Amino acid sequence: QQQVKQSPQSLIVQKGGISIINCAYENTAFDYFPWYQQFPGKGPALLIAIRPDVSEKKEGRFTISFNKSAKQFSLHIMDSQPGDSATYFCAASKNSGYALNFGKGTSLLVTP
Amino acid sequence: GAVVSQHPSWVICKSGTSVKIECRSLDFQATTMFWYRQFPKQSLMLMATSNEGSKATYEQGVEKDKFLINHASLTLSTLTVTSAHPEDSSFYICSARLRQTQYFGPGTRLLVL
Repeated sequence: QQQVKQSPQSLIVQKGGISIINCAYENTAFDYFPWYQQFPGKGPALLIAIRPDVSEKKEGRFTISFNKSAKQFSLHIMDSQPGDSATYFCAASKNSGYALNFGKGTSLLVTP
Repeated sequence: GAVVSQHPSWVICKSGTSVKIECRSLDFQATTMFWYRQFPKQSLMLMATSNEGSKATYEQGVEKDKFLINHASLTLSTLTVTSAHPEDSSFYICSARLRQTQYFGPGTRLLVL
């Protein structure tokens, strides 16, 4: 049972554009929502994370928007670059540092 | 900081043999480590939670006698795939918890012939 649903499965964005990936969850006990970036053959790397007490968090070109009432959160990548081409996973857990429930991933391709 | 390593990075073995994968936190101590499995172009599925000095907690459907986990120290957890079969071929990734963040290793690709 997929506890975190992620869309789209794949995404193509032109260089300089905005990449948007969405996730939804059902379990209201989740209180930690990280995003990970994974390159082929590598482990995931933490990009940015948010807790439900804030609606938005920004770190450089990466922004998480969080809607607690809708149980949805999204990742926005501003000024997307070819080097951002990777698979992005959203995740959720009942407490940060505990077992993560991952979305199915979004394969992002940023074209030159 | 917060670097997690895995060894080996890839391994090929014959069906029926056992394979051990090591996960180390290089610059921090981790009382809790996690083991995930990832099939090609799919998400990470949690296999088990490994706590230093105690028995691992396995997720439903994961055979604990097949996937042996030992967390013998605060910087090392091992996953042993016993009597490996071709269906065990996958990408195995560990993570270690530092304060409130999980840091992932680079993964180990296992191919069972």
